[in-house]
Amino acid sequence: DAGVIQSPRHEVTEMGQEVTLRCKPISGHNSLFWYRQTMMRGLELLIYFNNNVPIDDSGMPEDRFSAKMPNASFSTLKIQPSEPRDSAVYFCASTYRQGLVATFGSGTRLTVV
Amino acid sequence: GIQVEQSPPDLILQEGANSTLRCNFSDSVNNLQWFHQNPWGQLINLFYIPSGTKQNGRLSATTVATERYSLLYISSSQTTDSGVYFCAVERASGSRLTFGEGTQLTVNP
Repeated sequence: DAGVIQSPRHEVTEMGQEVTLRCKPISGHNSLFWYRQTMMRGLELLIYFNNNVPIDDSGMPEDRFSAKMPNASFSTLKIQPSEPRDSAVYFCASTYRQGLVATFGSGTRLTVV
Repeated sequence: GIQVEQSPPDLILQEGANSTLRCNFSDSVNNLQWFHQNPWGQLINLFYIPSGTKQNGRLSATTVATERYSLLYISSSQTTDSGVYFCAVERASGSRLTFGEGTQLTVNP
């Protein structure tokens, strides 16, 4: 298996633009997580899905952020409109089920200028 | 919200040494995890351990939920163990996963 695949690896965008980050979990994994890491706030869990259903989105910072999982093999995290303070590394992770350790993707480094 | 404190903040070891990292938390938890982030930024979820003891190779973790702490043991450390170790907890009464600030580990050859 290729592991958790995130795209793009790097994204530079201008303030106000829409940004879409993508994640392909490991096949057969039923739980998917989106994390954000910044120098100021450290690591944060934004949202997680079980069987494609969002379970806890309490970590999503604002309404500008939205996440979807239309099927078991694909998830997106969208920021619209983007702001400079959204600059961060965004990680996606997946696992067979909650309670087991998750496998992380390599992350997407987002820079909003 | 729940407070998560990790110690020590920094640790420097010689290859082959053993170490213990600590995570204290301020409330009852139903979820506690340990993560390792290597110097290149890659994250690895090491343990899911809200209570009890688990071992994976040279690493083991113990959580004493009643006393609100968890320990991560690294034995016979290797240079590849370098990086930041994070503890994260979720309060039993319900809250989002909260991360500690991490322990920066450097293992020198």
